[in-house]
Amino acid sequence: RKEVEQDPGPFNVPEGATVAFNCTYSNSASQSFFWYRQDCRKEPKLLMSVYSSGNEDGRFTAQLNRASQYISLLIRDSKLSDSATYLCVVNNGGTALIFGKGTTLSVSS
Amino acid sequence: GAVVSQHPSRVICKSGTSVKIECRSLDFQATTMFWYRQFPKQSLMLMATSNEGSKATYEQGVEKDKFLINHASLTLSTLTVTSAHPEDSSFYICSASGGPNYGYTFGSGTRLTVV
Repeated sequence: RKEVEQDPGPFNVPEGATVAFNCTYSNSASQSFFWYRQDCRKEPKLLMSVYSSGNEDGRFTAQLNRASQYISLLIRDSKLSDSATYLCVVNNGGTALIFGKGTTLSVSS
Repeated sequence: GAVVSQHPSRVICKSGTSVKIECRSLDFQATTMFWYRQFPKQSLMLMATSNEGSKATYEQGVEKDKFLINHASLTLSTLTVTSAHPEDSSFYICSASGGPNYGYTFGSGTRLTVV
């Protein structure tokens, strides 16, 4: 079983739609959780950290369920510029980040 | 904010030659740097972790004699792909951390094509 698993998509949605991505992780001792965004042929960039209490940043909401080892990202009112690959990322208390394969989102007008 | 500069951004080399990729932390001291590789439509895979002044720690399946890592200072780590082959063609990305309480910053990546 992979350490971080995501539905690869692609998710094709119209502008203004709400879309949710899910992610599961295998190591119950994982300590830190993130969502990164990666545009085609570019480096990943931090979108937001994920906290147990859930956190929101504008149109983006992240949730963490430690009991189920499940992380989610909700994007409301999708924009064309949201088209990218979204990477679920976990840190197990070591020093390196562990990346999921990513979920591709395509927002169309 | 923290900036990591990676160079070159793109390189094409002949099979059998060696290629050096540099990763520099511009405004902070990076005690630890990480090298990742990403094949098309795949996730970033950690290749090795380098700590300043000590030998790099390689992930299982990564040949340390083929992918030479040097982290001689707190601001510079280099990855040398030796005797490159077409199957080494990939997107290589470095990441730097200033320590446990600091985040991770990524370089812009190097797209290596071996012909």
